Amino acid sequence: GAVVSQHPSWVICKSGTSVKIECRSLDFQATTMFWYRQFPKQSLMLMATSNEGSKATYEQGVEKDKFLINHASLTLSTLTVTSAHPEDSSFYICSARPGTRVVEQFFGPGTRLTVL
Amino acid sequence: KNEVEQSPQNLTAQEGEFITINCSYSVGISALHWLQQHPGGGIVSLFMLSSGKKKHGRLIATINIQEKHSSLHITASHPRDSAVYICAVSGEYPGNQFYFGTGTSLTVIP
Repeated sequence: GAVVSQHPSWVICKSGTSVKIECRSLDFQATTMFWYRQFPKQSLMLMATSNEGSKATYEQGVEKDKFLINHASLTLSTLTVTSAHPEDSSFYICSARPGTRVVEQFFGPGTRLTVL
Repeated sequence: KNEVEQSPQNLTAQEGEFITINCSYSVGISALHWLQQHPGGGIVSLFMLSSGKKKHGRLIATINIQEKHSSLHITASHPRDSAVYICAVSGEYPGNQFYFGTGTSLTVIP
């Protein structure tokens, strides 16, 4: 089956630093990748949609300068949380959509970010 | 109102019990998905349905397109089934946006 990995699985950083999270599709090409944020006991909230080779589309209320997304290849998307603050602490999940089967999304294992 | 509603929000069952989780949606869909999220966070896709019924081991998922309703059943529940089960729908082409339910937290007691 299709596998999506995320790295790191957890990260702790100081306030004001930037953190990069990688999302990779391991055995398929992902023309579209999605970044979600999940607060405790809540469902996933879509942050942005990333298409390979083009700028990401951000959901309303998500600061594009704060959450930088790069989708430089068909197997890799990165989310950089710039100048992180404690309120950015959350669980970040990516998913990838194979180009040939647009309905399916395959989810990564998530990254737990804690900003001190 | 959420596009996807799940019930119940929380469910505790004794090992061996038959479990049903319900999902209703209000948008046009291209498919419905049942996802499982264990403590620690990783999400696993259990089923993708556009009609009828699917079975995988002790898990059964059904969908009624006319009624915009789906159910996830777990037969002979086991403590390892304890997780959050999320119903999600992918909207119609071309966007295929995902809409997520708030999840059902299942605890199976030995």
